[in-house]
Amino acid sequence: DIQMTQSPSSLSASVGDRVTITCRASQLISNHLNWYQQKPGKAPNLLIFGSSNLQSGVPSRFSGSGSGADFTLTISSLHPEDFATYYCQQSYTSLATFGQGTKVEIK
Amino acid sequence: EVQLVESGGGLVQPGRSLRLSCTSSGFTFGAHAMAWVRQAPGKGLEWVGFITSKTYGGTTEYAASVQGRFTISRDDSQGVAYLQMSSLKTEDSAVYFCTRNAGVEWLRTYFFDHWGQGTLVTVSS
Repeated sequence: DIQMTQSPSSLSASVGDRVTITCRASQLISNHLNWYQQKPGKAPNLLIFGSSNLQSGVPSRFSGSGSGADFTLTISSLHPEDFATYYCQQSYTSLATFGQGTKVEIK
Repeated sequence: EVQLVESGGGLVQPGRSLRLSCTSSGFTFGAHAMAWVRQAPGKGLEWVGFITSKTYGGTTEYAASVQGRFTISRDDSQGVAYLQMSSLKTEDSAVYFCTRNAGVEWLRTYFFDHWGQGTLVTVSS
């Protein structure tokens, strides 16, 4: 199975900050990388698919990049509602795997 | 509006069985692969398995951790997906989410654009 490793595991940031989360795959996965946001007690919400495609309805402050094994989720200016946990997920193989998550907390 | 509603969770003893249901509305259920993802308390997301649409054979694949114990099925006439869980272990305790595949089935790429609210399964004696 492909292993997905996110960094950092958690971070503290302030409203208005630029935030970057990275995700590394244990093998090359082209651009088959997706990002989700999850708030406490809620289901995850798809943000980005295919490494850089913004899901409908997701604010443009979210962006994704990368190809191969290294990927990045960027929030250009953190809003109060963005404090949540973020997960990457590879869809290169049918056996989908998620990263361990990155919790974005209020500084 | 796309909706997925899970049901069937609860408290079950180790070694017993449980069946979860995922009732859909707001889209053509039969046209999509469906998947289950779980989340143990305080932990991350773990993909459990999926079932393709009938167009692609209604085939299933599972995570190694549940292979041979869990079975996913679907009833397209009712718009319902099922997760039959047997020989349950304490480590199967989690919230189980039903999800709709948004990827391209013929490319065997799977990611998830709609999720249910989840149903809690607790395996304990």
